[in-house]
Amino acid sequence: NAGVTQTPKFQVLKTGQSMTLQCAQDMNHEYMSWYRQDPGMGLRLIHYSVGAGITDQGEVPNGYNVSRSTTEDFPLRLLSAAPSQTSVYFCASSYLGNNEQFFGPGTRLTVL
Amino acid sequence: RKEVEQDPGPFNVPEGATVAFNCTYSNSASQSFFWYRQDCRKEPKLLMSVYSSGNEDGRFTAQLNRASQYISLLIRDSKLSDSATYLCVVFTSGTYKYIFGTGTRLKVLA
Repeated sequence: NAGVTQTPKFQVLKTGQSMTLQCAQDMNHEYMSWYRQDPGMGLRLIHYSVGAGITDQGEVPNGYNVSRSTTEDFPLRLLSAAPSQTSVYFCASSYLGNNEQFFGPGTRLTVL
Repeated sequence: RKEVEQDPGPFNVPEGATVAFNCTYSNSASQSFFWYRQDCRKEPKLLMSVYSSGNEDGRFTAQLNRASQYISLLIRDSKLSDSATYLCVVFTSGTYKYIFGTGTRLKVLA
C-alpha cells in the first residue's frame, strides 16, 4: 500500500513551458485534491474531484487544469508556466465526506 | 477576510509548558474541523479531528465553539518533538472543500 504518490519530487521550468504533475493513490478514495503552499500563505486549494469524471475549481484554479479519468489518478497540468507558479504542490486523497486527507510528499516547482 | 484564520506565531515555549492555539472560521455552514501537523518541508499529517463535544488524545485537547466560530488546540507538557507548524482545517460538505489556515509555528525550547 503506497498511499499517495507524487512525481516528480523537484522540477525546474522556464516561463511558458507546460508540464504535468502526477498524483496517484491506491486506497480507492473518491476524493482527490491539489494544493499549493507558499511561504506565509498556508495550503490553498487549486482543484478537487469527488470521483472519476468529476472535477471542480478551488480557491486558485487559474493557470491549472485537471482531469480524473480513473479513481486512482489525478494529474495537474500547468498550461504555460509563470514565475508566480513557483511553489510546493501537494496532492491529497480521502474517502468522500468529512474524512482525514492523506497527502503525497509534494512536488517542489521552480519557474524561471 | 480569510475563511480560516490562525495566528502565524512563532510560539516559543520551554519544554513542559502548556500552549494553546486558536483558529477562527467565517463560514457558519462549515461542518467538520481538523488539526494537522506539518514538519518543515514535509507533507501535512492529521493530528486530530475536532468534535462538537471536544476531544482529547494524550497531551492534546481540541475544542470547538460553533457559536463563536473558532476551534482550539491545547498541548500540555510540550516536548521538543512537538516543534512543528499546526494547521487548522475546515470542511464544508456543501462545497466539498477543505480550507486550510496559514498555520501556527510552534518551537519548543530545551
